[in-house]
Parts: sequence; structure tokens; C-alpha cells
Amino acid sequence: SQQGEEDPQALSIQEGENATMNCSYKTSINNLQWYRQNSGRGLVHLILIRSNEREKHSGRLRVTLDTSKKSSSLLITASRAADTASYFCATARMDSSYKLIFGSGTRLLVRP
Amino acid sequence: EPEVTQTPSHQVTQMGQEVILRCVPISNHLYFYWYRQILGQKVEFLVSFYNNEISEKSEIFDDQFSVERPDGSNFTLKIRSTKLEDSAMYFCASYYAPKRQIEETQYFGPGTRLLVL
Repeated sequence: SQQGEEDPQALSIQEGENATMNCSYKTSINNLQWYRQNSGRGLVHLILIRSNEREKHSGRLRVTLDTSKKSSSLLITASRAADTASYFCATARMDSSYKLIFGSGTRLLVRP
Repeated sequence: EPEVTQTPSHQVTQMGQEVILRCVPISNHLYFYWYRQILGQKVEFLVSFYNNEISEKSEIFDDQFSVERPDGSNFTLKIRSTKLEDSAMYFCASYYAPKRQIEETQYFGPGTRLLVL
């Protein structure tokens, strides 16, 4: 698989439930970022976690990073219909002009 | 809150024509990027730009592509002779890192949807 692969590819949940998305990557990283994209729209930055951090919170978002397993997870608690979007993880390395390598994304549908 | 802007939001062009996509990065940012996303696929890196020169480019960024920062505020992507497979959403991004602080976020513009007929 390529750098930054998410699973599941698609997730459908009921409003109020929690949504968990996972991301795996292959090479060493400096940080990992999660972005949201509403259908056909731009990328909205959600949260960044550094390689020396294990967990980070922002509102209803919780991100974990396990560098030994080269994986990260994004948890959205108490989901809302407005959370319906695609979610991408992206990894960055300082020795590569800090370009972001994106995963293929998880399409989240939150049913009202 | 400062934001990255892009124009136009949509562009339709004929195969073989030249297109210029424009971006205004956040004013104090130092690193600039172009990415593209073919419909239904992942976002792909095209090129990074720092200190008025390309710092890295991907295999996609061939001789048909060029970037420029002509006036200290705009950052442009030019495709000299468009092909059908250039149809995609093109995103500009910028990032502030005076000492290569890698904690900083890359901020993305809303994108330009390019359709080549």
C-alpha cells in the first residue's frame, strides 16, 4: 500500500455515534495531519500531531499516533450530520520540502 | 482569519490550450505548493516552491508545467498545452516556517476545478 492509507474506505453511522478512521503509512514522518473535504470542495485542516506525540484532542476530535506501528486514528465523538465528508490523513517529512503525502481517504456518512 | 485564495474557481479549456491557475498565499508564509486531485482519487503533490525557486517536484510535474511568483503575492501554475488527463481539482497551499519548524500547518485554498475538453 502507499503512504497514508486510510481504512475503512467508507463509513456510515447514525448521528450521535462515534466514528473512527484509521491511517497507516510506510516511511518515517515528522508529523501527521488530518483534513476534511466536503464533496467537491477544498481541504480543511482539522488537527496536526507531531511524531513525538501520542494523542491530541481538539473539540470532538481525538487523534492518536503510534509511530512503532506507523499508524494513526481519528475519532469523531457524538457525530453530527454536518460531519458528513471525506477525511484524509497526510504525512510530512522535513527532508522532503515538507510536502504532504495524502492517503486515499475515508468517506463518512452520518445519517440524521 | 488569513486564508489562501485561488482563482478561478472553475476553468474549462480545450485540449492543447494554455491555462494559468492563480493563488494568493497567506502573506507571511514562505513555502508554497501545488497539489491536484483527480475526481474520486487522492490528493497528489505537484511542486513545492521556496525562496523563489522550485524546491521539489513530482513526476507529474513535467515540462508542460511551470510555476511562478511574479509579484511577491501571487503564485501561479501554468500548464502550457493541456491534455484531457489534466482535468482535476488543483489546490494551492502555503506554510510558514522561518526556521523549518515542521509543526506548522499547511493551509489550502478552495481549489480550481479544471476541465479539459
